[in-house]
Order: sequence, then C-alpha cells, then structure tokens
Amino acid sequence: EPEVTQTPSHQVTQMGQEVILRCVPISNHLYFYWYRQILGQKVEFLVSFYNNEISEKSEIFDDQFSVERPDGSNFTLKIRSTKLEDSAMYFCATRDSGREKLFFGSGTQLSVL
Amino acid sequence: GQNIDQPTEMTATEGAIVQINCTYQTSGFNGLFWYQQHAGEAPTFLSYNVLDGLEEKGRFSSFLSRSKGYSYLLLKELQMKDSASYLCAVRDKGNGGSQGNLIFGKGTKLSVKP
Repeated sequence: EPEVTQTPSHQVTQMGQEVILRCVPISNHLYFYWYRQILGQKVEFLVSFYNNEISEKSEIFDDQFSVERPDGSNFTLKIRSTKLEDSAMYFCATRDSGREKLFFGSGTQLSVL
Repeated sequence: GQNIDQPTEMTATEGAIVQINCTYQTSGFNGLFWYQQHAGEAPTFLSYNVLDGLEEKGRFSSFLSRSKGYSYLLLKELQMKDSASYLCAVRDKGNGGSQGNLIFGKGTKLSVKP
C-alpha cells in the first residue's frame, strides 16, 4: 500500500527555535493535512491544504505556524518560534480527490526543551 | 461546538466480540470514521459511514445513526493484535469547496486478554 513519508521521525529543539517538519504525500493525492497529538491526548486538526493554499485551519494554527509545498512534492509545516507546549507527535495526512480514506504518515515526535 | 464521546478503556477476551460506542454532537456532519492506533504509531483507517446503517468489512463492522448522533465499531473474533486505541472521528462540514476536516474523539484503549 502507498505510504505518506515524514521526516525526521524525532526532532529535539530548544524553546524559541524554528523547526520544519517534512512530509512526502502519496503521489497523485491532492489534499494534505497536518494533525498533532500531545502525549496521552486526542489527535487534533491543525490545517488542511489544497491547490497550493490553506483550505481551513484550527485555532491551534496561529501565526507561529505556516505550511507550504515548496517544490511540488514535499509538504512542510514550519513552527517559527517553538514553545514548550508545542511538544507533540505531528502527523501529516493525505487524501485522493473523491476518496474518503485519509492516509497518515508515521509522524514526527517533536520535543521542545 | 464539537463533542465526541467514547469510553476511555475496554477489556475483552481473545476470540470474543466487543462493541465500542461513540456519540457525537458537532456543528456539521459529513461522515464518521473509525481509526485504529497502536501505541506510538499513526492512525490507520478502519471504516467510513455517511449513511445510516451497518458497514461490514471482515472482522470489523461499523454502524451509524445520524438522528441519534451515534456510532459503534464492532470487532469480532478478537485477536491479541487488536489491542490498540480505536478513534472515532467526525468530518465536519467544510468551507466552500472543502469536504471538511476530521474531529477526533479521545479514543478507546482496547486490551485483549488471552
């Protein structure tokens, strides 16, 4: 089965630093999402992206967050100035047009110290 | 507001049947999903319901009643590898051309014992 690939699998950073999380969507998928899951808590929607622009974003996705598709293949999530409470597992997910199934990547575990 | 409720934990015996319930109150509804998540791993898709009724897929079945805001996931012939968290998620109504985004419940941790 095709896979969504995320790198790195683990990222440790100092508070206030910028991080970029990378995702390679499944080829020909057009809808991209970022979700996060704080340890022991539920999976939370951050942002959806389609046709090179943000479709929707949650209250969590504030000005410190941004997404882009810089080269037509990678889909990135940038956190400009990380906070302790940004520590979480970040999942990229993608979906094909007209399909319901959302494919999740294996996640990036972000630890902010 | 968005509220999705499911039991926190359940325990069942290998070979048995277990039903995991989910109730929801959301501002819009565009489908209900069940995902399986093993500890430290990504959620994997199990089922999708958008119309009332039962969807069966092998050992797994999912039921939806939109009027009651209720769904359940039924797992038959339980195996040890079914020990995982089961996430109920509702897709809300999107804006414009968007189909909406998944709002997840907190998940039900299922432990299957020999």
